This record gives sequence, structure tokens and C-alpha cells, in this order.
Amino acid sequence: DQQVKQNSPSLSVQEGRISILNCDYTNSMFDYFLWYKKYPAEGPTFLISISSIKDKNEDGRFTVFLNKSAKHLSLHIVPSQPGDSAVYFCAASALSARQLTFGSGTQLTVLP
Amino acid sequence: DADVTQTPRNRITKTGKRIMLECSQTKGHDRMYWYRQDPGLGLRLIYYSFDVKDINKGEISDGYSVSRQAQAKFSLSLESAIPNQTALYFCATSDLVAGGYTGELFFGEGSRLTVL
Repeated sequence: DQQVKQNSPSLSVQEGRISILNCDYTNSMFDYFLWYKKYPAEGPTFLISISSIKDKNEDGRFTVFLNKSAKHLSLHIVPSQPGDSAVYFCAASALSARQLTFGSGTQLTVLP
Repeated sequence: DADVTQTPRNRITKTGKRIMLECSQTKGHDRMYWYRQDPGLGLRLIYYSFDVKDINKGEISDGYSVSRQAQAKFSLSLESAIPNQTALYFCATSDLVAGGYTGELFFGEGSRLTVL
């Protein structure tokens, strides 16, 4: 049973518009969340994180929102750029778990 | 040079062969991990190690073994490869985040393994 779910395998948006990538989790012990970006032929790279004491964290064009009651987080990219086209993974951690649990990823394509 | 280096980057082998994937890091991190990526399944943890004497099974350890030869080296072995072990394998490292969480992972570029 997947504890971290990304239900949209793919998403396409126009350049300049907002991209919203979603992630749901089932384990109520998770309290630290991260997003990673992966280009073809490269390893994933860290993008942004949020702990459960916050509901929002921003870094430039990237904002992560956390809704603990719904066990849902989302990554907003504004404005989207063609270079943002990649696979995005969300991941979750709990202090007791000693490891990250990843979702299945969403392929974002930003169209020029 | 990459901070996390994996060798080989690509390998084609036959069923029943023994395969070793190697990982070395220059980040000075104590924690190292092996993940496997499959389409539609994301990244799944095979084994992880928090120091040379601390080896732990992950979500999908069956059919795999690991060796932590030094702080900087962590190798993954497939004793008898089978076709459903065809996948993209990633090594990663991390350091502790304040509060004791496993935080940001630093990944290698991946090793693509094909088992015929």
C-alpha cells in the first residue's frame, strides 16, 4: 500500500502559467515533506521542503503548501518555464522512520 | 567531479549472473542509500546505512545485498540477477537535519541495469 501517492502521472501547462503538482499521504506520522525534480539521465535533485509546523514554504518560483488535516501537499510553480519540464517526486519522512518514502512521480511538461 | 558517483552507469547482463553496483561519495555524509526506480512506481528503497556498522533493509531488499566498505563507499549486489530486477538504480547520501530527520538526499546519476 503506497503511503505517498501522486495520482497524476503527467501534467502539461503553457509557459508562463501556473503548474500545480499534488501529493497525498496516508501515514499520519509523516511530518517532514520534500519535493525532488528529475531530468532524464540524471539523478533526482532536491527542490523544496516543508515541515508540519508550517503550512507554506516559498523559494523563488516554487511554493509548497501543506494541508495536514487533508494529508495533502502541493507544489506550485509560477510562472512555469520550459526548463521546469521534468519528473517531480514528493517524499515524506517521520522522525521515527529514519528514511524517506517517495511517491510515484508526475511528469511535468511546460509547453513554449 | 560528481559528489556521488555510481559505477557502472549502464550494464546488460544475463539471468543468474552476479552483479555489483558501486557508489562512492565525497560529501562526507554518514548516511547512504540504494533506491530503485521503475516506471509508475517511483523510487523505492532497497537498503540504507547510517554508518559502516549500521545496515538496514528497505522496502524491497529481497534478492539484493549491500556492503558498506567505508564511510564513503556503499555497494549493492545482485547475487543471481533476474529479469524483474531490470531497473534504474540510484545511490544517495544524506546528513541529519535539525531535529533528527533524514532530510535532503543527494543522488548519483543512476545505474541502468538490464537483465536478459
